Amino acid sequence: AQTVTQSQPEMSVQEAETVTLSCTYDTSESNYYLFWYKQPPSRQMILVIRQEAYKQQNATENRFSVNFQKAAKSFSLKISDSQLGDTAMYFCAFSNSGAGSYQLTFGKGTKLSVIP
Amino acid sequence: GAGVSQSPRYKVAKRGQDVALRCDPISGHVSLFWYQQALGQGPEFLTYFQNEAQLDKSGLPSDRFFAERPEGSVSTLKIQRTQQEDSAVYLCASSSLRTDQPQHFGDGTRLSIL
Repeated sequence: AQTVTQSQPEMSVQEAETVTLSCTYDTSESNYYLFWYKQPPSRQMILVIRQEAYKQQNATENRFSVNFQKAAKSFSLKISDSQLGDTAMYFCAFSNSGAGSYQLTFGKGTKLSVIP
Repeated sequence: GAGVSQSPRYKVAKRGQDVALRCDPISGHVSLFWYQQALGQGPEFLTYFQNEAQLDKSGLPSDRFFAERPEGSVSTLKIQRTQQEDSAVYLCASSSLRTDQPQHFGDGTRLSIL
């Protein structure tokens, strides 16, 4: 079974600064997907960024980028130029890439507060 | 529709009552997932449908939980004889069949059992 660990229950960052959220995972699969989701108080899970395990290049989406270390099973999220709207719960998630049920396995989340 | 729609947004029930939660996925999405999110935790997988077929129900916590998707579109999660530990947010997600496509989530139903 896969597990996802987020070791930072809460973090804060000053507006316009950079923050990094940590995530480690455990799996015996060789190919899989990793995700960061954002969940504001409205509860909807919003996809922030996605990484395919067979791609060595780190994914980037505007102010969001990841540091994917496959050997270390580490997948951290860097948010640059933090904005007040980035305040939310952030969840790291894993899914298999094979056929069948490819449900997401989530970590417990990191609560990020952006301070004006 | 434009996104995944869940109803009701909030549900309060007394212990022992049956409840039904509805999910309307994005049009054309073959795959549908249900997750349970306890307070302060990440979502946990409950069950998965591919069209009308329930291919994985390994995450359902007990036989009081039942899900269906009879026409391969709208899905209903039913909880019988509710218990206090069933209090949680229930999230529905849908996606295309391709495993490289992400899941799109609804706003969830917050269930409170008194």
